Amino acid sequence: GQSLEQPSEVTAVEGAIVQINCTYQTSGFYGLSWYQQHDGGAPTFLSYNALDGLEETGRFSSFLSRSDSYGYLLLQELQMKDSASYFCAVSGSGYALNFGKGTSLLVTP
Amino acid sequence: DGGITQSPKYLFRKEGQNVTLSCEQNLNHDAMYWYRQDPGQGLRLIYYSQIVNDFQKGDIAEGYSVSREKKESFPLTVTSAQKNPTAFYLCASRLGSEAFFGQGTRLTVV
Repeated sequence: GQSLEQPSEVTAVEGAIVQINCTYQTSGFYGLSWYQQHDGGAPTFLSYNALDGLEETGRFSSFLSRSDSYGYLLLQELQMKDSASYFCAVSGSGYALNFGKGTSLLVTP
Repeated sequence: DGGITQSPKYLFRKEGQNVTLSCEQNLNHDAMYWYRQDPGQGLRLIYYSQIVNDFQKGDIAEGYSVSREKKESFPLTVTSAQKNPTAFYLCASRLGSEAFFGQGTRLTVV
């Protein structure tokens, strides 16, 4: 089976930097991805890491350490519109895509 | 415009009735997924399909059934055997590392 752990809530100030961690256990691993979901909306893809290291996409970066079964999403220059839920997801064997329980990010003025 | 279409957005059913949620995609993706989302529970995988006429159970398949007769369509049936069917249901398709989601169907069983 697969399990993913991430913090349930994070609060940060506008303009700050925040890191959302994700640890996973899986029987087969191809990559770690991150999704953003605003209340009542559809999740949208942010990033994907298949290899160790940092991937940067604008204000968002994602990191993976396969040996530690760990990754994180880094959000810089936080804006109010970044308030949302963030999910890490593991691509496993057989095309399965399993998500964590999500981290609710609140950005305050 | 290409995308994932789920219908209806809101659905009400009486307890004991089966109900089918629609999911259609015109992205030409092979893989499709159904998730259930409850508050604080994240997205839990119900069923997924890699290709037409093939599908696999996810973590919470009990009380649900699916079919994949066409590449574009992956309907989900919530049966009367599902003990707590009231939830937000999300359908997705996937190309490579990226999944694309529909806007969801909020099912309420009374």
